[in-house]
Amino acid sequence: RKEVEQDPGPFNVPEGATVAFNCTYSNSASQSFFWYRQDCRKEPKLLMSVYSSGNEDGRFTAQLNRASQYISLLIRDSKLSDSATYLCVVILNTGGFKTIFGAGTRLFVKA
Amino acid sequence: DGGITQSPKYLFRKEGQNVTLSCEQNLNHDAMYWYRQDPGQGLRLIYYSQIVNDFQKGDIAEGYSVSREKKESFPLTVTSAQKNPTAFYLCASSPGLAGVGSYEQYFGPGTRLTVT
Repeated sequence: RKEVEQDPGPFNVPEGATVAFNCTYSNSASQSFFWYRQDCRKEPKLLMSVYSSGNEDGRFTAQLNRASQYISLLIRDSKLSDSATYLCVVILNTGGFKTIFGAGTRLFVKA
Repeated sequence: DGGITQSPKYLFRKEGQNVTLSCEQNLNHDAMYWYRQDPGQGLRLIYYSQIVNDFQKGDIAEGYSVSREKKESFPLTVTSAQKNPTAFYLCASSPGLAGVGSYEQYFGPGTRLTVT
């Protein structure tokens, strides 16, 4: 089992749709969680940190479920500019530091 | 402008040559990281540094070396011992390895290395 797994995608949605990404992680000692977006042939950009209480930033909502070991990202009212690959990132810092990136889920938003 | 710079954007080398990729940040971040990304795969950690003059191996350090002589700079050398060096190399920094926000990593634009 991979340490971090994401929906394989791609997701093709019309403008205005709501889209949800899920990510599961295998190590219960994982401490920090993030969502990044990566445009084609560009560097990843931090989208949101994910907190236990959940957090929202405009059209984006991130949730963490420690009991089930998954995090989610919800995008409401999707825009053409949301088209990108969304990366889930998990960090452990017990017995050695590890940053684990998911392979990413590609999103295409169509007019 | 605060940020992370990597140069060059594209780099071509012959097999058997060592090559050094530069990474500079002016964010006053303590921690810096190097990753490689291969097509269709997630980023993999090569080396990281929490503080000047200290660095640790990541998951795929074999065939790579780093130095951290200054807070702002974390160059990566891809040696001839690296069997599959062609990849997209990304440098990142974060405020530090303790406290809220410490692990939020910010990336440079990357260097695409092609070895033939």
